[in-house]
Amino acid sequence: KAGVTQTPRYLIKTRGQQVTLSCSPISGHRSVSWYQQTPGQGLQFLFEYFSETQRNKGNFPGRFSGRQFSNSRSEMNVSTLELGDSALYLCASSDGTANTEAFFGQGTRLTVV
Amino acid sequence: AQSVTQLGSHVSVSEGALVLLRCNYSSSVPPYLFWYVQYPNQGLQLLLKYTSAATLVKGINGFEAEFKKSETSFHLTKPSAHMSDAAEYFCAVSDGRTGNKLVFGAGTILRVKS
Repeated sequence: KAGVTQTPRYLIKTRGQQVTLSCSPISGHRSVSWYQQTPGQGLQFLFEYFSETQRNKGNFPGRFSGRQFSNSRSEMNVSTLELGDSALYLCASSDGTANTEAFFGQGTRLTVV
Repeated sequence: AQSVTQLGSHVSVSEGALVLLRCNYSSSVPPYLFWYVQYPNQGLQLLLKYTSAATLVKGINGFEAEFKKSETSFHLTKPSAHMSDAAEYFCAVSDGRTGNKLVFGAGTILRVKS
């Protein structure tokens, strides 16, 4: 079956702009999690959505938000972009039961200039 | 709060040599532990996971890991390194109570010398 699809793969934005990233999970998966990966901070959990509801949230400012649609596709939005938001944003999908395998997409590389 | 410490940000081995990547965790509840691998410009791929069924866990590509509660460790090993094993490896922990939130270690870059 098809894997996790993240679009776009690469983005360049200017400080102060906003950006929306998209993630299509594996068919049948109802949980989508988002992670930020940077050289300095490593992999950090942003939030998890399950059946259109945010189930978990990491320690990121309110500029980072997300949502999930009825088909389980998820979007992540970052408003008022800062240079420090430059990162690889990874989406992971799973069936939502505790501690099952999370399948990761290839990520969206966001560069803020 | 849970945390993971990976000892050694870089590990270099010769092709055919033993691979040992170290991971220690901290968790107030019985943990679920994972090892993921990441190749350049790619997402993460699960190598193996520990979910309390057995302390020695076998994964893909010849990797295995042993859960040692007394040492709070979950080290990753492979008897014989291959050039294709060169990548970054991440250990992660989940407490099983907060959905699928994973807490990752800082990662270890494995270099394999010919």
